[in-house]
Amino acid sequence: EDQVTQSPEALRLQEGESSSLNCSYTVSGLRGLFWYRQDPGKGPEFLFTLYSAGEEKEKERLKATLTKKESFLHITAPKPEDSATYLCAGGNSWGKLQFGAGTQVVVTP
Amino acid sequence: DGGITQSPKYLFRKEGQNVTLSCEQNLNHDAMYWYRQDPGQGLRLIYYSQIVNDFQKGDIAEGYSVSREKKESFPLTVTSAQKNPTAFYLCASSLTGTSGQETQYFGPGTRLLVL
Repeated sequence: EDQVTQSPEALRLQEGESSSLNCSYTVSGLRGLFWYRQDPGKGPEFLFTLYSAGEEKEKERLKATLTKKESFLHITAPKPEDSATYLCAGGNSWGKLQFGAGTQVVVTP
Repeated sequence: DGGITQSPKYLFRKEGQNVTLSCEQNLNHDAMYWYRQDPGQGLRLIYYSQIVNDFQKGDIAEGYSVSREKKESFPLTVTSAQKNPTAFYLCASSLTGTSGQETQYFGPGTRLLVL
């Protein structure tokens, strides 16, 4: 059974304090690892897709990396506007996404 | 502007009542999905469709029904058989739905509350 586990469940950061979010996965025939950002009461917004171990992608203060067992989302020098819940999901060989429960990030000024 | 729209934003259901959530996309995607989101849990797949007039059950289909009469539209009905319907419902779409490499794009969601 496909499983995706995210840690920590919640993270409180001071503005400028860099940190990393973890996404551990066991997904049958992983085809892609997806990261989304979700603001309260809104739908998830796509951030990145990673396809193979060793791949990295960056967007502003966010950088996603992938190994054979986990993915990390690094937040460098975060700002209050980076506060959100970050979701990861693994895409399996049948085209379905298995989502983790998310990490809620709060960045205080 | 291409995207996915869901309506209504909030929906209230009375005991024994069926309610229908709307989802429309103008991205020309073949595949559409319905997910349920509960606090502290990941998104769970209710139903998905890869082509008009065809759809498959996801992991938690009991108490729900769907139709796919048009490529652009994938409405979800929450029936009275769904005993715990209070949740945030998300509709998504992707190009074909046949590859785990495809990005799914989400609508803004509908929050369903029970009176």
